[in-house]
Amino acid sequence: EAGVAQSPRYKIIEKRQSVAFWCNPISGHATLYWYQQILGQGPKLLIQFQNNGVVDDSQLPKDRFSAERLKGVDSTLKIQPAKLEDSAVYLCASSFRGNTEAFFGQGTRLTVV
Amino acid sequence: GDSVTQMEGPVTLSEEAFLTINCTYTATGYPSLFWYVQYPGEGLQLLLKATKADDKGSNKGFEATYRKETTSFHLEKGSVQVSDSAVYFCALSQEAGKSTFGDGTTLTVKP
Repeated sequence: EAGVAQSPRYKIIEKRQSVAFWCNPISGHATLYWYQQILGQGPKLLIQFQNNGVVDDSQLPKDRFSAERLKGVDSTLKIQPAKLEDSAVYLCASSFRGNTEAFFGQGTRLTVV
Repeated sequence: GDSVTQMEGPVTLSEEAFLTINCTYTATGYPSLFWYVQYPGEGLQLLLKATKADDKGSNKGFEATYRKETTSFHLEKGSVQVSDSAVYFCALSQEAGKSTFGDGTTLTVKP
């Protein structure tokens, strides 16, 4: 069974530039999550989708971050404009339904300089 | 809101030593509890889980029991190996799926 796919693996951008991350969840998984993991901390949930609807985006900085999940499958997370403090690993995860095991992708390591 | 508190690390043990990593939580209702592990250079993966009070999750020699009375889910292993060196995350997930992670505990096992 294919796992959660994310791209790119690494990205370096200058502050005030924009960046986008892509995620393809495990087939059949209705729930998709985007997490931000700052070095030395645990993953922080940014947004949770159930199919193509948003369940929780309370911790998403909506002035600069946006996410969409078209057709309830792939998802894209965008940052515009980026700040230095956005440097982190962005993790995508999916689960069959809300409170079951989440399967994580390898993550995208973003460095903002 | 929900929160998860893990014992601070890093933890360094000799091979075959006994391991305990403490985890306590604050949450409304009856969340599911998880331990995830991140081996060097790899992504997060589920180690074990428990979905209701008094359930014991186990995998690869690791165990954790869902203790509602003490709001705890401590991770234990009787005899650690060098290959267990990793970062361990305690997490909870509510019925609707919103999940909360601890900050992780780095375990280093020396031969």
